[in-house]
Amino acid sequence: QSVLTQPPSVSAAPGQKVTISCSGSSSNIGNNYVSWYQQPPGTAPKLLIYDNNKRPSGIPDRFSGSKSGTSATLGITGLQTGDEADYYCGTWDSSLSVGHVVFGGGTKLTVL
Amino acid sequence: QITLKESGPTLVKPTQTLTMTCTFSGFSLSTSGVGVAWIRQPPGKALEWLALIYWDDDRRYSPSLKSRLTITKDTSKNQVVLTMTNMDPVDTATYYCAHSHSSSHQSFGYWGQGTLVTVSS
Repeated sequence: QSVLTQPPSVSAAPGQKVTISCSGSSSNIGNNYVSWYQQPPGTAPKLLIYDNNKRPSGIPDRFSGSKSGTSATLGITGLQTGDEADYYCGTWDSSLSVGHVVFGGGTKLTVL
Repeated sequence: QITLKESGPTLVKPTQTLTMTCTFSGFSLSTSGVGVAWIRQPPGKALEWLALIYWDDDRRYSPSLKSRLTITKDTSKNQVVLTMTNMDPVDTATYYCAHSHSSSHQSFGYWGQGTLVTVSS
């Protein structure tokens, strides 16, 4: 059971928009920055969003991130078949006295 | 250009100790703010963060695995080593190392290709 909760799957048609949620608590998302990762099948994860809403160089602006309270959201517009992948959120967690990183359980995106 | 590559055994027996090495280039672990983490992923399952070592030798571990993990760095060799004791079949996973920087708040901008480690007798 992951500390951060994501929907197991989402789907949408090419060209459409999709959002993926990531729910946590005050010890993690509520007081720390969130990052998002894309992992196509058989490949290593790739950073999409860091610091809640910043995109690394080379990531198109079709990808966006936001945070409100203890939840974060990844948005993808203009869906492409190449966007089919697993998506993970991650953040720092300050519980248990010692800080550590936590990830969500992952969301499988299907572009219909 | 930042690159990382994991190396280590692909098969270990139950109760043995796993030693994984991350060899990197394009950055130095003696530079302020830099860190290297280990993250694993069992087949078909989610990412699980294991450990992180910073430029100043600050070390953080997954609370659930802390008793079994040790992370060290060799700045002169550009390597980070993770040891995990008492391996079990449930530890079968792809093990990744990844670059982190405090300025991006524990996000991981660069990853190795990963190494699948199977635990079986």
